[in-house]
Amino acid sequence: DQQVKQNSPSLSVQEGRISILNCDYTNSMFDYFLWYKKYPAEGPTFLISISSIKDKNEDGRFTVFLNKSAKHLSLHIVPSQPGDSAVYFCAACYGGATNKLIFGTGTLLAVQP
Amino acid sequence: DTGVSQDPRHKITKRGQNVTFRCDPISEHNRLYWYRQTLGQGPEFLTYFQNEAQLEKSRLLSDRFSAERPKGSFSTLEIQRTEQGDSAMYLCASSLAPLYEQYFGPGTRLTVT
Repeated sequence: DQQVKQNSPSLSVQEGRISILNCDYTNSMFDYFLWYKKYPAEGPTFLISISSIKDKNEDGRFTVFLNKSAKHLSLHIVPSQPGDSAVYFCAACYGGATNKLIFGTGTLLAVQP
Repeated sequence: DTGVSQDPRHKITKRGQNVTFRCDPISEHNRLYWYRQTLGQGPEFLTYFQNEAQLEKSRLLSDRFSAERPKGSFSTLEIQRTEQGDSAMYLCASSLAPLYEQYFGPGTRLTVT
């Protein structure tokens, strides 16, 4: 069963506009969430994270919002730049002994110049 | 610090052969993870080490797979009697407990012919 879902396989945005990437999860035991960016033929790069005790975390152009009641999080990128074009993965973590990550299937973001 | 490194970056092997991959984590990180990623999917957890101890293995890790982390530094992942279904990107990540953020290497792309 897919515990972390990214229902939009792709998203196209104009340069300078806002990109909003969405992620839903099913397991209420998740206590930490992360976003990774991946270019072809490279490993995922950590972008930003949020604890389940918060509802927003901001780092420069990137902001992550968490709605625990809806089991939904989103990544906002503003302003979007062509270099942001990549696959974005949402990941969730139970915490505890392992901290293994459960990933979604990714959203391909294309930022058009 | 140069980040997580993996070797080789690409491996093509014939079905039935054994292969071994190496991961060098970020030097001060005590946790090391292996993930596998196939086309169109997010990375899937395979196994986890805390220092030299292998503390969790996924059901995805069949008896043909073995991982080690001698002396709590680099790690190796061996696949015996490779099958075409083993073709995937094998990713290594490391983290510093108790932090959740994991940092990934560039991956090893395995193709079994």
